[in-house]
Amino acid sequence: DAGITQSPRHKVTETGTPVTLRCHQTENHRYMYWYRQDPGHGLRLIHYSYGVKDTDKGEVSDGYSVSRSKTEDFLLTLESATSSQTSVYFCAISLTGTDTQYFGPGTRLTVL
Amino acid sequence: DAKTTQPNSMESNEEEPVHLPCNHSTISGTDYIHWYRQLPSQGPEYVIHGLTSNVNNRMASLAIAEDRKSSTLILHRATLRDAAVYYCILRANAGGTSYGKLTFGQGTILTVHP
Repeated sequence: DAGITQSPRHKVTETGTPVTLRCHQTENHRYMYWYRQDPGHGLRLIHYSYGVKDTDKGEVSDGYSVSRSKTEDFLLTLESATSSQTSVYFCAISLTGTDTQYFGPGTRLTVL
Repeated sequence: DAKTTQPNSMESNEEEPVHLPCNHSTISGTDYIHWYRQLPSQGPEYVIHGLTSNVNNRMASLAIAEDRKSSTLILHRATLRDAAVYYCILRANAGGTSYGKLTFGQGTILTVHP
C-alpha cells in the first residue's frame, strides 16, 4: 500500500469555522491531489499540487485553499466551512502527472 | 472531456468470471483507458489501464475493442472482496506540469454473491 495518511479521519464542525485537513505521504511523489466525494457526483478534483509551493485549481475549488510547503504534506483549508462542504475528502498522490494515482483512506467532514 | 458509459450495477457469483463493459465512443487517439475501483469505505484503487492493446495484470485483464470505442474489464474469478464500484475513466496524456485529469463518473456497482 502507498504510504498515504489523512488526518483527521473524521471531523464534525460548525458553519463558519476554519478547518484544515492534512495529507501526508512517505513516497516522495511529486503530485498530490485533493478530491471530494458526494452522492450523485462521484469524485471531483478540488486542487492539486505539482511540487512544493506549486498548486493549481481543480473543478470545484471555490471555498477551498491549499498549501504545500514540504514534499510530503498537502494541506486543504476551508476558510469558513459551510454545510455544502460536508463530504468525504480524499487525498491522492502520483509520481508524475500521468502516472497512477494512489488514494488515501479519506476524511469524513460534517459541517453543522 | 470524453465521456464513458457504464451499467449502473452488475451481479456475479463467487468464483465466476465477471465482464464489466464500458463505452467511450468519443475517445481521442491519445486517451488512455483507466479502471479504478472503490471498495466500501475506502479510497479508489487503481486496477489497470491501456491504450490500444489488451492488458493483463495480477488483478484483472483489460480488453480494448479494435476501434477503441469500448472496453471490458475482466475479473477472471470473482471473490467477495471484489465487490466494489468500478470506474472506467479516459485519461489524456499530459506534459509539463499539467496532469492527466481523472474524471470519475458514477461507475458500476458490482455485487458478488457467495
